[in-house]
Amino acid sequence: EIVMTQSPATLSVSPGERATLSCRASQSVSSNLAWYQQKPGQAPRLLIYGASTRATGIPARFSGSGSGTEFTLTISSLQSEDFAVYYCQQYNNWGTFGQGTKVEIK
Amino acid sequence: QVQLQESGPGLVKPSQTLSLTCTVSGGSISSGDYYWSWIRQPPGKGLEWIGYIYYSGSTYYNPSLKSRVTISVDTSKNQFSLKLSSVTAADTAVYYCAREIVADAFDIWGQGTMVTVSS
Repeated sequence: EIVMTQSPATLSVSPGERATLSCRASQSVSSNLAWYQQKPGQAPRLLIYGASTRATGIPARFSGSGSGTEFTLTISSLQSEDFAVYYCQQYNNWGTFGQGTKVEIK
Repeated sequence: QVQLQESGPGLVKPSQTLSLTCTVSGGSISSGDYYWSWIRQPPGKGLEWIGYIYYSGSTYYNPSLKSRVTISVDTSKNQFSLKLSSVTAADTAVYYCAREIVADAFDIWGQGTMVTVSS
C-alpha cells in the first residue's frame, strides 16, 4: 500500500495570504496525484488532477506541482470560501488518501 | 450534468451486512470511460477508498476490506451497489459513491450517506 503523508495537519492563514500544502508518497506515484477540498458536511470536491491540472471550474488561485513522491498545493491568495480541509490522493496503485490538512483562519 | 445519489439504511446491527445503492442520473453508467467507486469517511477522520466496479462487472477492492466487500452493477437501472459484511462499530462512517475517470481522479461525488453500526 502506498502511504500518503500530508503536512502540516493544520495551517493557520490570514485571508489574502498564500497557503502552501505538502503531500508526500511512500513510493513514486509519477504524476498520478489529485487534490480535493472538503467543507463541513459536504462531499470532497476535485481541485487538481495529474498533479498540476485544475479541474473544471476551479479558480486559477489553486495550483499544484510535483511528481514522484513530493507534491504541493498552493492557494495564492486565500478567500473566505477556501477555508476547508484538503486531501491529496494517489491513483497510481488503486487509491489512497492523505490524512488531510485543515486550512483555518488566522 | 451527471449526479450520484446514495441510498440505504442509516443503521446496521453489528455482524450484519451493510447494503447501499448509488443511482447515477444525467449520464450512463455503461460509459467505458469511468469506474464507479465507493469511499468512506469515519466521523472526524480521513477518506478510505473501498473499491470500484466497471460497467462490465469487473471489480477491484481495497485489500484491507476485500474479504468483506462486494460491489455490483445494474446497468438497466443505472445503479451500482455496495455490500459490506460482518460489520462492526469501526465501519461507522459516511459512505460516498463517486465516479472515477479510468486510471485518474474522482471527479464527481454523491452527497454521502451516514451509516451507523450499533445494536
